[in-house]
Amino acid sequence: AQSVTQLDSQVPVFEEAPVELRCNYSSSVSVYLFWYVQYPNQGLQLLLKYLSGSTLVKGINGFEAEFNKSQTSFHLRKPSVHISDTAEYFCAVTRNFNKFYFGSGTKLNVKP
Amino acid sequence: DGGITQSPKYLFRKEGQNVTLSCEQNLNHDAMYWYRQDPGQGLRLIYYSQIVNDFQKGDIAEGYSVSREKKESFPLTVTSAQKNPTAFYLCASTGTVENTYEQYFGPGTRLTVT
Repeated sequence: AQSVTQLDSQVPVFEEAPVELRCNYSSSVSVYLFWYVQYPNQGLQLLLKYLSGSTLVKGINGFEAEFNKSQTSFHLRKPSVHISDTAEYFCAVTRNFNKFYFGSGTKLNVKP
Repeated sequence: DGGITQSPKYLFRKEGQNVTLSCEQNLNHDAMYWYRQDPGQGLRLIYYSQIVNDFQKGDIAEGYSVSREKKESFPLTVTSAQKNPTAFYLCASTGTVENTYEQYFGPGTRLTVT
């Protein structure tokens, strides 16, 4: 089975600063990777996904992520965050789109 | 607009009562899922269904039951056997978007049992 580790449970950052949210996964086979955002008391919204091809994936709201197969990582980045980016972010992995495995989430707190 | 509907948004029940959470989708997706979310634990899979009249247990199925009589609907019943039912419950479905798969989520139901 796959597992997903998000090492940082909370990340505080000042507005307009860059941010990186870390995600590592464990799998002996090829997987597909996703980042989701969740605002309080809402469902999850897809930010971006890696299925194949270029290892640098661009998503919505200025976010991007880089797939690193050798390090089994899929870190999420944004060069300049806004107050509105304050939310919880989840990394997810699936091998065959039957079952998805989620990390424990990282709360991004953007301060003015 | 296509999407996933979960109702109600907030649900309160007394301990010992069964309660059913609704999930409806009009995306024509075959696969549907139920997740439980607790603070600091991410999403944990309760049940999933790849096709009508068939479903599989996820990682934390004990104390829960589901049915999949229609493609559009995947209701979840939280039974009195579930020891700690208070949580945020998310329904999801998976389907193709531009020849790739994506998982879509409903807005969630927050269940409080006292």
